Amino acid sequence: GAVVSQHPSWVICKSGTSVKIECRSLDFQATTMFWYRQFPKQSLMLMATSNEGSKATYEQGVEKDKFLINHASLTLSTLTVTSAHPEDSSFYICSAMGPKVYEQYFGPGTRLTVT
Amino acid sequence: AQSVTQLDSQVPVFEEAPVELRCNYSSSVSVYLFWYVQYPNQGLQLLLKYLSGSTLVKGINGFEAEFNKSQTSFHLRKPSVHISDTAEYFCAVTPYSSASKIIFGSGTRLSIRP
Repeated sequence: GAVVSQHPSWVICKSGTSVKIECRSLDFQATTMFWYRQFPKQSLMLMATSNEGSKATYEQGVEKDKFLINHASLTLSTLTVTSAHPEDSSFYICSAMGPKVYEQYFGPGTRLTVT
Repeated sequence: AQSVTQLDSQVPVFEEAPVELRCNYSSSVSVYLFWYVQYPNQGLQLLLKYLSGSTLVKGINGFEAEFNKSQTSFHLRKPSVHISDTAEYFCAVTPYSSASKIIFGSGTRLSIRP
């Protein structure tokens, strides 16, 4: 149980275009999901907290107009990288909070490459 | 505020040898402690967690960790490693008061040599 999926697992897009990444909790409902960014050989950096039915809470330094987060249902959160640039290339990982507040289940990640 | 320090960025070990990955944390409030493993190009998988009770915690894949409150440490150990243990390991904490927010350490890359 407690499986989180991400789609796509790998995406290449051209500079200036937008790309959407989906995060789904497959066998449980998640009122709260999180989006992380990970640079090569570095730790995870929390970008934002996504709550179902309300606006996401962004961490300091994260551009909310560039990284649009939507949590429209209890099993789906999406991250849209708008007007992507090569510096947005990274590994994006989502997680979903389980029934116990200290539990987070992580997705497999999405590698974004902007050319 | 909380912080997590993983002193070793890389740990090379021979197969079947024991290993210890070190983790120290700083927090003015009580925290839950975790170890996660990340295989190449994958997300994070929970290895083990300490919530309360016995300070020795056993996890998956033969790993265990010991919580030491006085030294604010949560070191990860395995008595005999396998090639398949090659991965990145992250120590993390979550404060009781904000149990949804995970603070990660910088990670330790465990490389197993045959």
